[in-house]
Amino acid sequence: QQPVQSPQAVILREGEDAVINCSSSKALYSVHWYRQKHGEAPVFLMILLKGGEQKGHDKISASFNEKKQQSSLYLTASQLSYSGTYFCGTETNAGGTSYGKLTFGQGTILTVHP
Amino acid sequence: EAGVAQSPRYKIIEKRQSVAFWCNPISGHATLYWYQQILGQGPKLLIQFQNNGVVDDSQLPKDRFSAERLKGVDSTLKIQPAKLEDSAVYLCASSRRGGIADNEQFFGPGTRLTVL
Repeated sequence: QQPVQSPQAVILREGEDAVINCSSSKALYSVHWYRQKHGEAPVFLMILLKGGEQKGHDKISASFNEKKQQSSLYLTASQLSYSGTYFCGTETNAGGTSYGKLTFGQGTILTVHP
Repeated sequence: EAGVAQSPRYKIIEKRQSVAFWCNPISGHATLYWYQQILGQGPKLLIQFQNNGVVDDSQLPKDRFSAERLKGVDSTLKIQPAKLEDSAVYLCASSRRGGIADNEQFFGPGTRLTVL
């Protein structure tokens, strides 16, 4: 089943913060986050594994709440280059074994204006 | 390190015609994925290979779509015959191997298919 992302779209000014949420109805093994710019391939941002670990690099970080079957992506002090569509890809719990099969959400369109 | 290569980049065909897409994954990547991305939606997995074996093809419309990965390296995806609803971008991705959790997928540029 496809994870649900919210919000569907966000408009920001440079320097503002944003949070994108990803919710699943199934128990999750891992959550992957990707950014896709118009006409380009998705680009990997980060993976979060079950265990609730928070990850981040530069001004983009993410958390994973196993119990709530949710992940959130945090973008702080946004830059123009952050514009694009953000997708979460979820891997459901396959008896403790990862097969790498991802189901992607419908995407969140992020637009950053000067 | 070279990325995932795909060809052609664009293809326009009439409905009921056949079409084939080619993908060459990153060298050494054992797992290869084909996704279909319809405009405004997230990528949808069609088929996943581990080396030259199929791991998952549960969402592949097998009456018209087929895929192979001979010798466990490059792969082809075929549609025969095409329908209007097959218009989409077909993305190929690869990862080091399945069976491990920390396994990012690298995507190719995609093939944009238009069926008229």
